Amino acid sequence: GAVVSQHPSWVICKSGTSVKIECRSLDFQATTMFWYRQFPKQSLMLMATSNEGSKATYEQGVEKDKFLINHASLTLSTLTVTSAHPEDSSFYICSASIDSNQPQHFGDGTRLSIL
Amino acid sequence: DQQVKQNSPSLSVQEGRISILNCDYTNSMFDYFLWYKKYPAEGPTFLISISSIKDKNEDGRFTVFLNKSAKHLSLHIVPSQPGDSAVYFCAASFTASKLTFGTGTRLQVTL
Repeated sequence: GAVVSQHPSWVICKSGTSVKIECRSLDFQATTMFWYRQFPKQSLMLMATSNEGSKATYEQGVEKDKFLINHASLTLSTLTVTSAHPEDSSFYICSASIDSNQPQHFGDGTRLSIL
Repeated sequence: DQQVKQNSPSLSVQEGRISILNCDYTNSMFDYFLWYKKYPAEGPTFLISISSIKDKNEDGRFTVFLNKSAKHLSLHIVPSQPGDSAVYFCAASFTASKLTFGTGTRLQVTL
């Protein structure tokens, strides 16, 4: 149980393109999902907390207008990187938990490469 | 400010022996700690967790120890197996949801 699916797993696109990443909890409902970013050889950094039916909570330094988060249902959250540039190239990972007292389970991540 | 630190970027252990991965934290408000295992190009997989009200939690070959006074936790894997080779992240939380991750330790289990 507690499977989180993330799609796509790899994206290569031109600078200026907007890219949407989907995160789905397959066998449970997730009121809250989380979006992380990982640069090579660095830790996972929390970008934002996605709440179903309300606005996402962004971490300090993360641009809300750059990284649009939509938590449309209890099983789906999307992250849209708007007008992506090469510095946005990174590994983006989502997670979800059944409730706040349970561990977060992670998707397999999306490797985003902006040319 | 790195609130969760894993000072050893890599560790090599012989198959069958004990692997000990260490993690230190600075925020005394953290009350829940987790270990995740990560393979390249995959998301982290949850291994084991511990609440701050305990000092030890065991699950099969994996045991996590928490020393609150030292703000230190460790993950013991015994016996180590080649399939354990991966990057291990410790994570901490004080809101029961938002996680702060360490920088990871790459474990290599050799034959």
